Amino acid sequence: DGGITQSPKYLFRKEGQNVTLSCEQNLNHDAMYWYRQDPGQGLRLIYYSQIVNDFQKGDIAEGYSVSREKKESFPLTVTSAQKNPTAFYLCASSIAPRRLRNQPQHFGDGTRLSIL
Amino acid sequence: QKEVEQNSGPLSVPEGAIASLNCTYSDRGSQSFFWYRQYSGKSPELIMSIYSNGDKEDGRFTAQLNKASQYVSLLIRDSQPSDSATYLCAVIWSNFGNEKLTFGTGTRLTIIP
Repeated sequence: DGGITQSPKYLFRKEGQNVTLSCEQNLNHDAMYWYRQDPGQGLRLIYYSQIVNDFQKGDIAEGYSVSREKKESFPLTVTSAQKNPTAFYLCASSIAPRRLRNQPQHFGDGTRLSIL
Repeated sequence: QKEVEQNSGPLSVPEGAIASLNCTYSDRGSQSFFWYRQYSGKSPELIMSIYSNGDKEDGRFTAQLNKASQYVSLLIRDSQPSDSATYLCAVIWSNFGNEKLTFGTGTRLTIIP
């Protein structure tokens, strides 16, 4: 079945450690996105990519990094510079990035990150 | 900063009644509007999209858009306990050719049996 796969479902980070969250899609979507959701809050955009080897910062990119070496994959690294990483991380994808009009985003099941 | 505003709730509605969820947005040029449903601990699920003024119906759900007043609403008829969730409003706005989806903080809906 086509969809977006995020792994792991739960992740724990130690002090000073970098961790990487995986996001893979087999929907042949050009655009991919990473969001962070804190309890009782909406989704905030971290990074997005409209095409392979290109990505842009969202509203809260500090302390995060991404890569887009393949169309299907958009991993997110939470670096030690992100001092408050505990949150629910959601990956999404959509088609026609330059005509986002009328194109909704579809989400993976999310990764819940906590600090040890 | 483009904004999408929702009443955070909680909104409690008796089973079988109509639940009405509202959303306002700041960018007058926005063209595409979406409603997502999110169950606790789960990812958002798209339930409605609307692009033109007026109403759009899909089963028990009706989305209403009024671009002049900059609001979009979601009506859920014959509310069921399974409709209890947080509903997120999302709006696409353009910035020099880059289009971005902005989410509201969500309205928590509880259907009372």
